[in-house]
Amino acid sequence: DTGVSQDPRHKITKRGQNVTFRCDPISEHNRLYWYRQTLGQGPEFLTYFQNEAQLEKSRLLSNRFSAERPKGSFSTLEIQRTEQGDSAMYLCASSSSDGSYNEQFFGPGTRLTVL
Amino acid sequence: AQSVTQLGSHVSVSEGALVLLRCNYSSSVPPYLFWYVQYPNQGLQLLLKYTSAATLVKGINGFEAEFKKSETSFHLTKPSAHMSDAAEYFCAVSDLWANMLTFGGGTRLMVKP
Repeated sequence: DTGVSQDPRHKITKRGQNVTFRCDPISEHNRLYWYRQTLGQGPEFLTYFQNEAQLEKSRLLSNRFSAERPKGSFSTLEIQRTEQGDSAMYLCASSSSDGSYNEQFFGPGTRLTVL
Repeated sequence: AQSVTQLGSHVSVSEGALVLLRCNYSSSVPPYLFWYVQYPNQGLQLLLKYTSAATLVKGINGFEAEFKKSETSFHLTKPSAHMSDAAEYFCAVSDLWANMLTFGGGTRLMVKP
């Protein structure tokens, strides 16, 4: 039973570059979530998908952030024209919509450093 | 809107002592409440959850939490701290549909030998 995986685990980029992160959820999970965690803070919700539909995206931090889940399996989070303030840990989680409560299982995160 | 407040960003206890991490929430709907633990450079691991069943919830690694609606609290306790409990702990709240989790700022637990 594999858990949620994220790639890469670490990314260092220069300001102004675009970056893309990948998340592979637990295989039977149809919901996928993205969170951002800055140093010393709790995770902050960004967006989530049910299957391939992005059902909530108003919390994405700016129009430089976008996410996709084209086939309802893995997802990508892209940040365009990165800024130093984008430096953070980006966490992915997945859950099933079956049952009375949808426990979210988290991946190890991608740590982004913008120089 | 939902929010979570964790009192004390850092808590230090001696090995074998009681652990008490505080969490207060605000929610306009019946909440689901969670405690997660995060070890350095790792993701979040669920310790326990309250989903409107028993108000005293037992989790992994000897932790438990009690939901007190009148106090809007969900404090985490463990009778005897172990060195391996040193980590960051996050309290979180969600609604029935669990479309998103709202986290507190976290409490770093340090365990002294």
